Amino acid sequence: GAVVSQHPSWVICKSGTSVKIECRSLDFQATTMFWYRQFPKQSLMLMATSNEGSKATYEQGVEKDKFLINHASLTLSTLTVTSAHPEDSSFYICSAPGQGARLGYTFGSGTRLTVV
Amino acid sequence: GQNIDQPTEMTATEGAIVQINCTYQTSGFNGLFWYQQHAGEAPTFLSYNVLDGLEEKGRFSSFLSRSKGYSYLLLKELQMKDSASYLCAPLADSWGKLQFGAGTQVVVTP
Repeated sequence: GAVVSQHPSWVICKSGTSVKIECRSLDFQATTMFWYRQFPKQSLMLMATSNEGSKATYEQGVEKDKFLINHASLTLSTLTVTSAHPEDSSFYICSAPGQGARLGYTFGSGTRLTVV
Repeated sequence: GQNIDQPTEMTATEGAIVQINCTYQTSGFNGLFWYQQHAGEAPTFLSYNVLDGLEEKGRFSSFLSRSKGYSYLLLKELQMKDSASYLCAPLADSWGKLQFGAGTQVVVTP
């Protein structure tokens, strides 16, 4: 089945530094990748949509200069949290349209970011 | 935009049945997904309904009424491992962005 590999699983960084999160589609080509953020006990909030070969589309209220998204190839999408602050600490997860409606969307395993 | 409404929390005992309702309003409709999510983990796919009616898959069933903008997820023979958040996600555009409801936390007690 379709698999999205997300790395790292968890990361701790200092305030002011940048963190890059990668999502790779392992056995299919993902022309589109959705990036979500989830705070404790809350639902998944869509941040942006990345498309291979074009600029990402950001949801209202999401700072595109802070959350840099790149979709360099058909199998790799990255999210870089720039100048991270403690309030950016969250669970970040990517998702790609699945290989058929019955399979749903394929999610990465998520990245737990803690900014200290 | 879209509005998705589902209860915040439901509690039930092991072996019981629980029904999680979801109402939605979307600009378009290309089916509705239900996902299960344990804390700190990725969501896992449970069901996809695009036509009206009930779809049964083992202990889990999902129902859809497009005219009413309504769906429910039915969990039967509850097990402790079913304690999780259940997310309703109507799809407005075919394989477009998937927006989730706030999620329903199901707590299964012994």
